Amino acid sequence: GAGVSQSPRYKVAKRGQDVALRCDPISGHVSLFWYQQALGQGPEFLTYFQNEAQLDKSGLPSDRFFAERPEGSVSTLKIQRTQQEDSAVYLCASSFPASGANVLTFGAGSRLTVL
Amino acid sequence: GQNIDQPTEMTATEGAIVQINCTYQTSGFNGLFWYQQHAGEAPTFLSYNVLDGLEEKGRFSSFLSRSKGYSYLLLKELQMKDSASYLCAPGYQKVTFGTGTKLQVIP
Repeated sequence: GAGVSQSPRYKVAKRGQDVALRCDPISGHVSLFWYQQALGQGPEFLTYFQNEAQLDKSGLPSDRFFAERPEGSVSTLKIQRTQQEDSAVYLCASSFPASGANVLTFGAGSRLTVL
Repeated sequence: GQNIDQPTEMTATEGAIVQINCTYQTSGFNGLFWYQQHAGEAPTFLSYNVLDGLEEKGRFSSFLSRSKGYSYLLLKELQMKDSASYLCAPGYQKVTFGTGTKLQVIP
């Protein structure tokens, strides 16, 4: 596609519900990143993939967070048993190079509100 | 791990020049990115420095000193549309952001 597409754009969940956030990267982009951005803060790294391989998941805040990219294209970030502190914008970004500096193209984000 | 320090907020006048500083401590450093983020929008790429020195790109320039763990973004001929957050991000393949500097441009 022309850009990075994320869905849903807005999600309201009750505390304890599971949510799934989807990212469609730019076609052919090898690297895919997930970030969490709280209001007034910079994006916090969660995890990143190169094709289907999850190379780093050190930023996932707890074992309630899980990300996958099974075919090396679309990725899903799943949050189980959501808590109020999970409320944030979740940004997905993709980049072409398998090696070399990752210049990221971001999606518009998925804003999660946990009540 | 990475320690990234930027001023939280800055104000500058339309038409003026502003310099946004960033200091960092990081392991495995390869280069430094600057991104711009308008309120309610996603970050967009501005610049990437891998070598020491100044990189100029139109009204925006970025400087890097690897030995000092220091970078700055220089914005010239400020326009109202430059009001945004500016994010410093040391990295190469894994990109980690600072908290950002919120710049307000006033008439």
